Amino acid sequence: QSALTQPASVSGSPGQSITISCTGTSSDVGYYNYVSWYQQHPGKAPKLMIYDVSNRPSGVSNRFSGSKSGNTASLTISGLQAEDEADYYCSSYTSSSTWVFGGGTKLTVL
Amino acid sequence: QVQLVQSGAEVKKPGSSVKVSCKASGGTFSSYAISWVRQAPGQGLEWMGRIVPILGTANYAQKFQGRVTITADKSTSTTYMELSSLRSEDTAVYYCARMFKLGGWYYFDYWGQGTLVTVSS
Repeated sequence: QSALTQPASVSGSPGQSITISCTGTSSDVGYYNYVSWYQQHPGKAPKLMIYDVSNRPSGVSNRFSGSKSGNTASLTISGLQAEDEADYYCSSYTSSSTWVFGGGTKLTVL
Repeated sequence: QVQLVQSGAEVKKPGSSVKVSCKASGGTFSSYAISWVRQAPGQGLEWMGRIVPILGTANYAQKFQGRVTITADKSTSTTYMELSSLRSEDTAVYYCARMFKLGGWYYFDYWGQGTLVTVSS
């Protein structure tokens, strides 16, 4: 099972919106709507931000949203804030009953 | 509030094994699964496998098949991950994560603090 493909880095200015893509295959991202996104600050454990492609857990800002089309999922962060600067990882359940993560995207808030 | 507390950092020789523990508190241990995820220095997250304590069954990523064993002790709410035949590429922070059903499927909603395993001669 290969890692899902994410851009290595994205950047944006405060107040702007950015989108991070996550490309898999018909055996993972395209197979189920079981895509999630995690935020990780340096030296910290990951935090769940989005599940079931587009749902937010309680307590996660509505500035975070998710979507999916075919084998590609996306995370959009609107109204960028300095505290959003972190690494972001997508994850998907697979047709082999396993989970796979993306390679991660470093978000820089300029 | 669910808490996952992992054992401390380890330094191991190539070819040896390491066993990392993850003790859960809060919630009902047997009602959820625990996954192990590792992160090599400066690298991304990598799912290794999971166990369903109430069933005692585990499944693993193909990459780690035959080299990793995940077990659970329901009496102490503790999960263990043992990785054998260690090599330098196994140097990483190892996380345990609770898998809880949200919406349609299971997601990693609580994470341990991570355990650094260093493999060096």
